[in-house]
Amino acid sequence: LAKTTQPISMDSYEGQEVNITCSHNNIATNDYITWYQQFPSQGPRFIIQGYKTKVTNEVASLFIPADRKSSTLSLPRVSLSDTAVYYCPRGGANNLFFGTGTRLTVIP
Amino acid sequence: GAVVSQHPSRVICKSGTSVKIECRSLDFQATTMFWYRQFPKQSLMLMATSNEGSKATYEQGVEKDKFLINHASLTLSTLTVTSAHPEDSSFYICSAPPSGILSYNEQFFGPGTRLTVL
Repeated sequence: LAKTTQPISMDSYEGQEVNITCSHNNIATNDYITWYQQFPSQGPRFIIQGYKTKVTNEVASLFIPADRKSSTLSLPRVSLSDTAVYYCPRGGANNLFFGTGTRLTVIP
Repeated sequence: GAVVSQHPSRVICKSGTSVKIECRSLDFQATTMFWYRQFPKQSLMLMATSNEGSKATYEQGVEKDKFLINHASLTLSTLTVTSAHPEDSSFYICSAPPSGILSYNEQFFGPGTRLTVL
């Protein structure tokens, strides 16, 4: 099965809202959609998960359309510390298969 | 949140030697743990699934005799890189989905182990 696809890189100025979209063309019915953040030389950190519609937590929002073939991670008012790689891996509660990720660079 | 630790954080070894990396779930039990490898500027690649009390399941292309996995308890999995070669130099990361916690997909990742084979 193909991994998820997302833009390789994005740049944003501090204070702006950043939206990163992921394609989940082969998502299974039971799979939730999850997003992770990874800083250099660290393990990934869970950001948010959802099944459909919209989910919001203290750090991000996740928008999932009805067909669930894509998702958009929204980071409000990014800061320099949000510079990282963001992943939307394919998989369920067990195996996660990571695609290329999106390297977000926040510019002062 | 749940914490996963790895030891050592970095290791340098000579070619031909074996290296053991530990992955521990500190405040929860994990019947399953996962091992990933990440080369510089690349994504995480799932190597194997570690199952407590049974054999590990390896992804296609990963040599099970080279990457030995043992999941001896509900809080510890070990990855041993046998007869290490320079091409095994990489960042090894483990993860665990907490058993019994209602987070369907969430996995907790360790901080990673940087292996350098000279």
